[in-house]
Amino acid sequence: EVQLVESGGGLVQPGGSLKLSCAASGFTFSGSAMHWVRQASGKGLEWVGRIRSKANSYATAYAASVKGRFTISRDDSKNTAYLQMNSLKTEDTAVYYCTRRDHPTRPFDYWGQGTLVTVSS
Amino acid sequence: SYELTQLPSVSVSPGQTARITCSGDVLGENYADWYQQKPGQAPELVIYEDSERYPGIPERFSGSTSGNTTTLTISRVLTEDEADYYCLSGDEDIRVFGGGTKLTVL
Repeated sequence: EVQLVESGGGLVQPGGSLKLSCAASGFTFSGSAMHWVRQASGKGLEWVGRIRSKANSYATAYAASVKGRFTISRDDSKNTAYLQMNSLKTEDTAVYYCTRRDHPTRPFDYWGQGTLVTVSS
Repeated sequence: SYELTQLPSVSVSPGQTARITCSGDVLGENYADWYQQKPGQAPELVIYEDSERYPGIPERFSGSTSGNTTTLTISRVLTEDEADYYCLSGDEDIRVFGGGTKLTVL
């Protein structure tokens, strides 16, 4: 059974940092691209960014709204993806989901349950 | 940057057909996926590559694309279909979601 479990969310002050984790199981993690998607309360889904597999040079890409502040990484030995969030703003407050694509043209077929990040003073 | 436009809401009666559209230039050259999200839950894949139904999704759900518009069609709508629906597309580097459509089953 495929599982994605996010953790690391919490309350952080504006300008602060937080690192989210996404622990994967039930599939070949090393072969999949991992993406992060967020959703502010009562709002729509927003793609945050992705990291590709080792075979694709661990290439990363980010939404304009987080580029330069967020960094996605992965540890294939731990089947875990990470989202490092720096210089956080109140507008980054959202539930953060991780999801996977097992091929560049495939959809997001499995999602985690999400972890809440609140940026507030 | 890409943009995908969806109507904020669609209302239908049970048993009717709901059509949810998503428009954007990126759809002319890239596939679209559709996701269903119910309150308090993570999104779930419904349709991928414009028209492929994800395993386990009822045949009542179908997708099609014409030009720069992709459409999710739900036939014989049930009350359990009430949810938010999001389209997704993009190129190899950037993915973008539509703003979402709230389907209300009256």
